[in-house]
Amino acid sequence: DAKTTQPPSMDCAEGRAANLPCNHSTISGNEYVYWYRQIHSQGPQYIIHGLKNNETNEMASLIITEDRKSSTLILPHATLRDTAVYYCIVRASYNTDKLIFGTGTRLQVFP
Amino acid sequence: DAGVTQSPTHLIKTRGQQVTLRCSPKSGHDTVSWYQQALGQGPQFIFQYYEEEERQRGNFPDRFSGHQFPNYSSELNVNALLLGDSALYLCASSPQGLGTINEQFFGPGTRLTVL
Repeated sequence: DAKTTQPPSMDCAEGRAANLPCNHSTISGNEYVYWYRQIHSQGPQYIIHGLKNNETNEMASLIITEDRKSSTLILPHATLRDTAVYYCIVRASYNTDKLIFGTGTRLQVFP
Repeated sequence: DAGVTQSPTHLIKTRGQQVTLRCSPKSGHDTVSWYQQALGQGPQFIFQYYEEEERQRGNFPDRFSGHQFPNYSSELNVNALLLGDSALYLCASSPQGLGTINEQFFGPGTRLTVL
């Protein structure tokens, strides 16, 4: 079973920041937080991952709370092409490569 | 550099038939994982191949089997197809074996419809 909880859907205006929350209250000390997204009818796409520090790349920023029980994915300037289902996943670095997906958050960016 | 490729893109079969799906990993990747995604659900892990052997398996029956070739490409075979096997089948590759934190790269998937 997925170890994360996400809202089923969110809306965001184009050009505004999209903040997608994720709860992972049972996360272990060696588990990373990963984010993937899936645009309609395509394979999931890796966005970002982190352990306990905030991370930023060309796609997004990841903010992880100090107790690591929740995180937020930030798309700083959402575009219509960011409309997708976003999955938050926790995964141990040592254990396995498999990803356990939940049902994700469907983000709709509107003009 | 080609990413993960899968074939065919779409497939229609009838109940009881057998199907083979194919995947070529991203260049430099040696580990291939297969996922099943039913409509409206997140992908579910089927199994993973590394060094031509099944390394891990999810909660799927023995009707689902696979193979990895020396060039790291992989096949997913499903026997005795059921209506419930209708789904998008995704292949993902990653560059190293067990214990890495490298991201997985997914292919576009094969849409299987069982009638």
